[in-house]
Amino acid sequence: EVQLLESGEGLVQPGGSLRLSCAASGLTFSSYAMSWVRQAPGKGLEWVASISDSGGRTNFADSVKGRSTISRDNPKNILYLKMNNLRVGDTAIYFCAKCRHPGYCYYMDVWGEGTTVTVSS
Amino acid sequence: DIQMTQSPSSLSASVGDRVTISCRASQKISSYLNWYQQKPGKAPKLLISAASTLQSGVPSRFSGSGSGTDFTLTITSLQREDFATYYCQQGYNTPLTFGQGTKVEIK
Repeated sequence: EVQLLESGEGLVQPGGSLRLSCAASGLTFSSYAMSWVRQAPGKGLEWVASISDSGGRTNFADSVKGRSTISRDNPKNILYLKMNNLRVGDTAIYFCAKCRHPGYCYYMDVWGEGTTVTVSS
Repeated sequence: DIQMTQSPSSLSASVGDRVTISCRASQKISSYLNWYQQKPGKAPKLLISAASTLQSGVPSRFSGSGSGTDFTLTITSLQREDFATYYCQQGYNTPLTFGQGTKVEIK
């Protein structure tokens, strides 16, 4: 069974940084693209970033572009999201999600339970 | 960016009802349209990919159709466990975008 488990800082001050991790198990991690998707309180789903199977291709939402990095450690089966200059609007549940294909994320077929990030002073 | 618009935003239905949710893309996306179900406090679950491909383990009462700009998710006989919020998502290009969601509530 594929499992994704997110972890990271829960409360961050505006202007601060965070690094989220997603530990994957039950799959050949290096064979799939991966994504981060977030959901602000009471709101809908917002795609944040994706990374290809090798890590050579990344894409970001405009809302986080320029202040975020997505990376992966394939030997350790871990996906990361680093965000800088955090804003109150970044407050959300962050989901790690496995994409069905290797090079590009057309859709997400397995999701983690999510980790809550609150940006507040 | 491709805008995804779902209708209705919410609906009330009874167990056994046929439910239809629409999703419209702001430009043609071929069949790169996916549907997710999300229950309160839970992660989204992929129901349908590529407009009409039912995922393994998803009940056959769920179906998807459409191509180009107009898509539909149909639940033929609503069950109690189907009360949830449904999202469409386009995978045609980045940024990947979701519809605003359709909340299916019990009448």
